[in-house]
Amino acid sequence: ETGVTQTPRHLVMGMTNKKSLKCEQHLGHNAMYWYKQSAKKPLELMFVYNFKEQTENNSVPSRFSPECPNSSHLFLHLHTLQPEDSALYLCASSQLSGGDTGELFFGEGSRLTVL
Amino acid sequence: AQSVTQPDIHITVSEGASLELRCNYSYGATPYLFWYVQSPGQGLQLLLKYFSGDTLVQGIKGFEAEFKRSQSSFNLRKPSVHWSDAAEYFCAVVPVYSSASKIIFGSGTRLSIRP
Repeated sequence: ETGVTQTPRHLVMGMTNKKSLKCEQHLGHNAMYWYKQSAKKPLELMFVYNFKEQTENNSVPSRFSPECPNSSHLFLHLHTLQPEDSALYLCASSQLSGGDTGELFFGEGSRLTVL
Repeated sequence: AQSVTQPDIHITVSEGASLELRCNYSYGATPYLFWYVQSPGQGLQLLLKYFSGDTLVQGIKGFEAEFKRSQSSFNLRKPSVHWSDAAEYFCAVVPVYSSASKIIFGSGTRLSIRP
């Protein structure tokens, strides 16, 4: 496989459920990101991981819990979500050293619906 | 504050017609500039990017963009659109000597194609 792969593509969960989104990149990048894309709202950066260390958390509620076990994998653990958390969650990766061009490589997204 | 403005929320053009999507940025120095495209239900894909040099840049799928420093603009163009170009288009900037984690996205322009 190549690029950035996200699973599952679609997820429906109740407000009391616990689920996880997974992202895997095969590009040899050292930075990974979670974005939230809601209808009629700009893309929102949630978390940034650089060499497995979280470097940014943009005031994301604690019901979203990221995990980055290595530079190729990124998870977003979800628990006690609210209906307003329904959105497309996009994972991206980039190379943050050796000539960072600022370019992001995105996965196809995980469409989350919270009932 | 740094910002990216895409003044057109939704544009409809006829198949075969030319296209221009507008993007203006507000930043002290010339940033890195990008255009991304998002097809329905998909992630974002890079169309083209500008770092320096020739102000007219060519991208994938027959798109090009022109950087105009005096107007702080980076408009996207295509001479003849195809039905498959229907998608959401995002302009983005990254401050020079920064990193992808500092990327700022515009709010997007949705392109519809009239048969």
